[in-house]
Amino acid sequence: EAQVTQNPRYLITVTGKKLTVTCSQNMNHEYMSWYRQDPGLGLRQIYYSMNVEVTDKGDVPEGYKVSRKEKRNFPLILESPSPNQTSLYFCASSLSTPGQGYEQYFGPGTRLTVT
Amino acid sequence: SQQGEEDPQALSIQEGENATMNCSYKTSINNLQWYRQNSGRGLVHLILIRSNEREKHSGRLRVTLDTSKKSSSLLITASRAADTASYFCATPSGSARQLTFGSGTQLTVLP
Repeated sequence: EAQVTQNPRYLITVTGKKLTVTCSQNMNHEYMSWYRQDPGLGLRQIYYSMNVEVTDKGDVPEGYKVSRKEKRNFPLILESPSPNQTSLYFCASSLSTPGQGYEQYFGPGTRLTVT
Repeated sequence: SQQGEEDPQALSIQEGENATMNCSYKTSINNLQWYRQNSGRGLVHLILIRSNEREKHSGRLRVTLDTSKKSSSLLITASRAADTASYFCATPSGSARQLTFGSGTQLTVLP
């Protein structure tokens, strides 16, 4: 089954404790991205990757890191989480860039709370 | 940056009625997508319309695109309670390497 998986689904952590949210897709997609969703602010793109070892900042990259060492995986790293990073996070993948007109496949989401 | 703005923010209708949602965007695009999100879950792609298309159908969905007005509409016909969800439009941005989502319309279909 074609899918995007994220782990963990729920995470409560404390300020400053490094964490990683994993994302994996089994569709051989080139394009992957991370979004955060906050009430009243909608979905905002954090980082995206057009292929292995090619990553770029989205609209809200501060406080986040990503890596793309393998095509299928695109982890999101919070080196020193802060309460304003409490949010619902989504990973997504598609065959190619949005400009090419390919649908995005979304993971189930990770609800992160930073206290 | 907020590329798409949706209208209305919330819509409540009876089962069997049609629901229309609108999306406006700011810059020139070559395609526009619509997604659905059930509460707190991942988004699901509904339909994509390209800039050279004016209208597209998929089942009970009809999407229109007016590039001169920089707007799109999503019509759901004969709505069902299961259509209750948030609906988002999304457009390419950032040299077409990013996807920017609208603010969404919360649709409630009452049985």
